[in-house]
Amino acid sequence: QITLKESGPTLVKPTQTLTLTCTFSGFSLSSSGVGVGWIRQPPGKALEWLALIYWDDDKRYSPSLKSRLTITKDTSKNQVVLTMTNMDPVDTATYYCAHIPLVVVAATYWGQGTLVTVSS
Amino acid sequence: QSALTQPPSASGSPGQSVTISCTGTSSDVGDYNYVSWYQQHPGKAPKLMIYEVTKRPSGVPDRFSGSKSGNTASLTVSGLQADDEADYYCSSYAGSNNLGFGGGTKLTVL
Repeated sequence: QITLKESGPTLVKPTQTLTLTCTFSGFSLSSSGVGVGWIRQPPGKALEWLALIYWDDDKRYSPSLKSRLTITKDTSKNQVVLTMTNMDPVDTATYYCAHIPLVVVAATYWGQGTLVTVSS
Repeated sequence: QSALTQPPSASGSPGQSVTISCTGTSSDVGDYNYVSWYQQHPGKAPKLMIYEVTKRPSGVPDRFSGSKSGNTASLTVSGLQADDEADYYCSSYAGSNNLGFGGGTKLTVL
């Protein structure tokens, strides 16, 4: 059974750096073809893909946010970490992590999401 | 602005069929068979309903089907049920391991 869960601060101030952790179970990020990605959704708005990391440490970022994002993995802890610098109120959103196998390029399993509010 | 274009709303009566479109470009939907569809109920995480244009994950009813023609993909929900009322998002691979989402369609069961 695959599960994912996001954790991190619920409130950050403008200009601060956001660090979110995705802790998963039911699969290994050291297995060929496995990927974990981050997707966000501002309140009442659409989904937006942010970043993706594969089992071989290949990393992909949304072109529009690439300069602000870093994604890393800790295979031994079954965790993926996303950092986003220079947070702004427009970054207020629910942040999801998801299991994204390379073979289908689709988010097959999702975490419950964590709401991050950017406000002073 | 979303990478893929969806109608903001769609509706149908119980038992009817409804089709939701997702229009991209020759660089995403038109070039790859990696179109997926997600269902999202209010306050819940999205759920994968269709992947690789036409495939259904285990447990998704066969009332949900996907197709593609040129730069436009479609999700058809037949035999509408009350629980199908939700937001639906399409997504497509866009090269260089990038993904794009549509703006979402709110499906109302009348």
